Amino acid sequence: SQKIEQNSEALNIQEGKTATLTCNYTNYSPAYLQWYRQDPGRGPVFLLLIRENEKEKRKERLKVTFDTTLKQSLFHITASQPADSATYLCALGAGNNRKLIWGLGTSLAVNP
Amino acid sequence: NAGVMQNPRHLVRRRGQEARLRCSPMKGHSHVYWYRQLPEEGLKFMVYLQKENIIDESGMPKERFSAEFPKEGPSILRIQQVVRGDSAAYFCASSPRTGEGKLGYNEQFFGPGTRLTVL
Repeated sequence: SQKIEQNSEALNIQEGKTATLTCNYTNYSPAYLQWYRQDPGRGPVFLLLIRENEKEKRKERLKVTFDTTLKQSLFHITASQPADSATYLCALGAGNNRKLIWGLGTSLAVNP
Repeated sequence: NAGVMQNPRHLVRRRGQEARLRCSPMKGHSHVYWYRQLPEEGLKFMVYLQKENIIDESGMPKERFSAEFPKEGPSILRIQQVVRGDSAAYFCASSPRTGEGKLGYNEQFFGPGTRLTVL
């Protein structure tokens, strides 16, 4: 069955460092992958989308890579700030089916 | 442009009652998705609807749960005869009709959620 895995343990880093979150998948061939941020008590907020034919995407301090051979996406936040503390979710989509398959999320805490 | 709206934000029901959750998508969006999220768990897809059509309800329990997205008005997720296990946060998301290129790469815009508590 299709499976998505994200770092199950919370990630704690120091302010100013780069946070790297991992999203691995099996038994799936996504056409694209999305990353979302979710704060406690709120709905997820879209951050970035990367297509299967793209290796890397950037947006301000965010960078996403997508390796379809390794079946892995990495999500980087450079120069991290305490305000970046949240849970980050990856979601995979395929073809014309708009249904997304979601990971469980990784909790990130950036300490001042 | 108002975001996705959900109401009520909090809903308390006793076992056996009906829960009705409403979702108004963003203006111009014709695709609606319902998700359920439990503490310490990820988002679980329930149903995907377009106006007047259910496209994919593979994540929705066959009994007691139903969803609609009428031509006019909000999308409704209805849970009949609620049980304690139905207590969760229910999120609605919407996306526009067309996306980039030929395929639907659209990001989903989420509402604030409805937190259902069944006593």
